[in-house]
Amino acid sequence: DVKVTQSSRYLVKRTGEKVFLECVQDMDHENMFWYRQDPGLGLRLIYFSYDVKMKEKGDIPEGYSVSREKKERFSLILESASTNQTSMYLCASRQGVWDEKLFFGSGTQLSVL
Amino acid sequence: SQQGEEDPQALSIQEGENATMNCSYKTSINNLQWYRQNSGRGLVHLILIRSNEREKHSGRLRVTLDTSKKSSSLLITASRAADTASYFCATDAPGTYKYIFGTGTRLKVLA
Repeated sequence: DVKVTQSSRYLVKRTGEKVFLECVQDMDHENMFWYRQDPGLGLRLIYFSYDVKMKEKGDIPEGYSVSREKKERFSLILESASTNQTSMYLCASRQGVWDEKLFFGSGTQLSVL
Repeated sequence: SQQGEEDPQALSIQEGENATMNCSYKTSINNLQWYRQNSGRGLVHLILIRSNEREKHSGRLRVTLDTSKKSSSLLITASRAADTASYFCATDAPGTYKYIFGTGTRLKVLA
């Protein structure tokens, strides 16, 4: 089975800090996604990467950036964390555009104080 | 942006009963998927139904799709306490890589 690993389950940061959320998948998937999940709002797409060094903005990219230097790793960066970025962050991957099934990591609950 | 909507928002049933949850969406789709999320964890894919299919089964799961009404339902038969979770539908946006997730149905199965 595909394994998608997010580096931290819980993270507490201060306002203004630069925050890195790491995601690694072990099945040579081409596409990777970062979502945030907030109560009542469901999952919202932050960024998508369809290949190494390739990225596309999702619905809510403001305040975030991403990095994909290697195929297995997709990092989400909060340049200057703010309290409204307190949320559950979910990483997902899929084999490619021809395979619709998403595999999710366990999530990172980020609190920005 | 488009949002799928699940109905009901929350559902509480006894073990052994069937659970039905519904999803409505707004635009044309290629496929619709259902995912489960246990509390505080990531989502797990359950089942996918394509736009040219009307019904699909997988174990205790039955999914229907009505493209004319832009709606889908997920039926879990003979529910178990372990089915307690949130359930989300997700639709693809044709011509894009995006999935549109609904806000979920919280299912509680009482032992």
